Amino acid sequence: DAGVIQSPRHEVTEMGQEVTLRCKPISGHNSLFWYRQTMMRGLELLIYFNNNVPIDDSGMPEDRFSAKMPNASFSTLKIQPSEPRDSAVYFCASSQVWGAFGNTIYFGEGSWLTVV
Amino acid sequence: AQTVTQSQPEMSVQEAETVTLSCTYDTSESDYYLFWYKQPPSRQMILVIRQEAYKQQNATENRFSVNFQKAAKSFSLKISDSQLGDAAMYFCAYRSVDQGAQKLVFGQGTRLTINP
Repeated sequence: DAGVIQSPRHEVTEMGQEVTLRCKPISGHNSLFWYRQTMMRGLELLIYFNNNVPIDDSGMPEDRFSAKMPNASFSTLKIQPSEPRDSAVYFCASSQVWGAFGNTIYFGEGSWLTVV
Repeated sequence: AQTVTQSQPEMSVQEAETVTLSCTYDTSESDYYLFWYKQPPSRQMILVIRQEAYKQQNATENRFSVNFQKAAKSFSLKISDSQLGDAAMYFCAYRSVDQGAQKLVFGQGTRLTINP
């Protein structure tokens, strides 16, 4: 089975530009998470969805960040306008809401974002 | 809110030896899940091992095992017969069974170096 698929893997963009990160969760998983990893703050949850509905977006830094999940197989994280402090690795992850393996969250390979 | 603490920022071990990474957590819940994730230089988050809090038996996956002490809220990872490929950041993580609070809470990580 394919794992969590993220794109792009690497992106370098100029300050002020819009950035869109994409994620395809594992088929059959109905929870989706967006995490950000930086040296200063470690791994922090930005937002997560259950059955395409946002459950907790308290980690979204500010209005410049937005996330959508229009269907069970696709999600986007958008930053507009981007700033240098947004430079980080962004992880998408998914899991089942419940079930025998519902306790495990599987991660994508991450999207490395550099804002110059 | 739950917290996870890894008190060892760095550890090193000789190849083929055994090393133990420490993790403590704080929670008021009686049932939950605990995980160890490995992050090699590629930055991918790889599940190493998981433990259900209601299970008294310690989880084991090949060379990896845990020492789960529920009363002490301790969850250490033991790596036996260390190999060069084990070199990575290791993160301890907590997940609630509450379906409204399913995010993973991570520790700060321990960087493990394997000396040949």
